[in-house]
Amino acid sequence: DAKTTQPPSMDCAEGRAANLPCNHSTISGNEYVYWYRQIHSQGPQYIIHGLKNNETNEMASLIITEDRKSSTLILPHATLRDTAVYYCIVRENNAGNMLTFGGGTRLMVKP
Amino acid sequence: GAVVSQHPSRVICKSGTSVKIECRSLDFQATTMFWYRQFPKQSLMLMATSNEGSKATYEQGVEKDKFLINHASLTLSTLTVTSAHPEDSSFYICSARDPKRNQETQYFGPGTRLLVL
Repeated sequence: DAKTTQPPSMDCAEGRAANLPCNHSTISGNEYVYWYRQIHSQGPQYIIHGLKNNETNEMASLIITEDRKSSTLILPHATLRDTAVYYCIVRENNAGNMLTFGGGTRLMVKP
Repeated sequence: GAVVSQHPSRVICKSGTSVKIECRSLDFQATTMFWYRQFPKQSLMLMATSNEGSKATYEQGVEKDKFLINHASLTLSTLTVTSAHPEDSSFYICSARDPKRNQETQYFGPGTRLLVL
């Protein structure tokens, strides 16, 4: 699986949009971009994934650049409960279904 | 989304004892489950892939005789840490894939925190 690069930490004001970047410059054509988050002392939680089109669900939006070398996860109105470590993972589907976690971005939402 | 549970949520044991951790898929059947380990302030590291009805596949550096995995049914996988030592103290997390939902999304359990004294 291709490697991802994320900033180690970010702050966001409560109620504002949180934009979490991820670089995946070596992504291949059949690799998807997945986002998970891990709230302290809990298991990771699936957020969203995409291949090349932008995606939106009830939790977040995923914006993937046209060249697919980077993406941004957007939490439109961050709340204190969104404080967590956010992991960007690129992987092929059916690649044994395993996930390889990098360092992630520790998002701190502040009042 | 699909629900995965783990039991116990936390366990404290003496060095040299064995500890069993259960991972259950509550509302779906999972032919494959994954076991991860997470040390403080570090990311999750895959330990092994648990396959229903067959032997688990272990990642490099993970001792299969120390971390016994049994996936006897489509809803249950167990991880047994044998002869636990303080360096095995960690957060153990399982995940499972629901093949009837989004085939590529893994659902994670809440984790089990193991402390070996």
